[in-house]
Order: sequence, then structure tokens, then C-alpha cells
Amino acid sequence: QKEVEQDPGPLSVPEGAIVSLNCTYSNSAFQYFMWYRQYSRKGPELLMYTYSSGNKEDGRFTAQVDKSSKYISLFIRDSQPSDSATYLCAMRDGGATNKLIFGTGTLLAVQP
Amino acid sequence: EAGVAQSPRYKIIEKRQSVAFWCNPISGHATLYWYQQILGQGPKLLIQFQNNGVVDDSQLPKDRFSAERLKGVDSTLKIQPAKLEDSAVYLCASSYAAFEQYFGPGTRLTVT
Repeated sequence: QKEVEQDPGPLSVPEGAIVSLNCTYSNSAFQYFMWYRQYSRKGPELLMYTYSSGNKEDGRFTAQVDKSSKYISLFIRDSQPSDSATYLCAMRDGGATNKLIFGTGTLLAVQP
Repeated sequence: EAGVAQSPRYKIIEKRQSVAFWCNPISGHATLYWYQQILGQGPKLLIQFQNNGVVDDSQLPKDRFSAERLKGVDSTLKIQPAKLEDSAVYLCASSYAAFEQYFGPGTRLTVT
């Protein structure tokens, strides 16, 4: 079993739709949870990070963490064609190193 | 602020040949990471440096991969000899704070 599972998609939605992206994980030691966006032929860029359980909102993006279910989500409201990219979840434990474990990524296409 | 620089952007080599990648992190970032991203997968950490010391190289295939970070700034990753399964994007990232890793554009390696 992989430590982090993520549906690879592809996910295609019309412009303006609400998008839900999800990851599950097995390591209960994970405490920090991140979402990265990766455009084609570019490096990943950090969108959001959360510590432990709860919600965090930043503009059109909302990240949710449910540690009891080992489940994290990223919601995108009013999706735009410019949101078309691969979304990677990543997580780490509370140790001294900053080692991130990534999901496989979900490819999202927002159709105009 | 200049981002993480990597070169070359693309490289095609035959199996059993050697190849080297270069990374220049963001100025002032003490921590540098090399990741391997195989098509359709998330990035996998190969090696992490703190200044010029190795923090984690547990997933580095040391029989063929080597990396160094002289003077705690630039870094090179070498593969010798390359195998077909080494075809991937090699991403360099750097960080100052614990959470946010800034990624370069990557080097796309094709081994034929």
C-alpha cells in the first residue's frame, strides 16, 4: 500500500464549476499537508499548506484535513481555464527533516 | 527574487552513458533537494542537503547516482551508468522555512 493515494484523473470540468480533489494516506505520523500545482513542463508550486486537522481558505481555494479519516481535500471554487494543471498533494511528519511524500497527482482540465 | 535554476532542461542519452544535472538554489536557502518524477507519478525525494551536509539520501540508488553540494550553494546530481528506468524529470528544490519548498523547472532525461 502506498503511503499516499491520489486519483490520477483526468478530471474535466466546465468553467465556473466547483472542483474537489482528494488524497488519502496511511501514515498517522503525518502532520503537515500541502497542495502543489504543476503546470505542464514546469516545477510544482505550493498552493496551500495546513497543519493537523481543519480548514484553510485562500481566495478560491479551500484545503481540508480530516486526520481521523486520513483524508485531505482541495476545493477550487469558480474554476478557471488557468486552473488546468496537475494537482499534487504532499505531506510530512513532524520530524526535523522536511521530507515530503507526494501523491501521484490529479490532472485537471477546466473547459472554457 | 530569482527562482531555482536548473540546467540542462532536456537531455537524451543512451543507456550506460553518464549524465550530470546542475542546480542553483534561491539565494539564502540552506536546504536543497533533488527529486525524481517519473511520468504519471509524484516527485520522489532522492537526496536532501542542509548546507553542504547530507540529511537524507535513503532513496538514492547509490550504486549509480551521486550528488554533491560544494560550498553549500550549487549542487550537481550525476548518474553513471544510466538505465532505461532512469528516464524521468529531475527536479531541484530549495527551502528556507520548514514548509515551503521552491521547485525549479526540472531536467527532462530520456535514456534510450
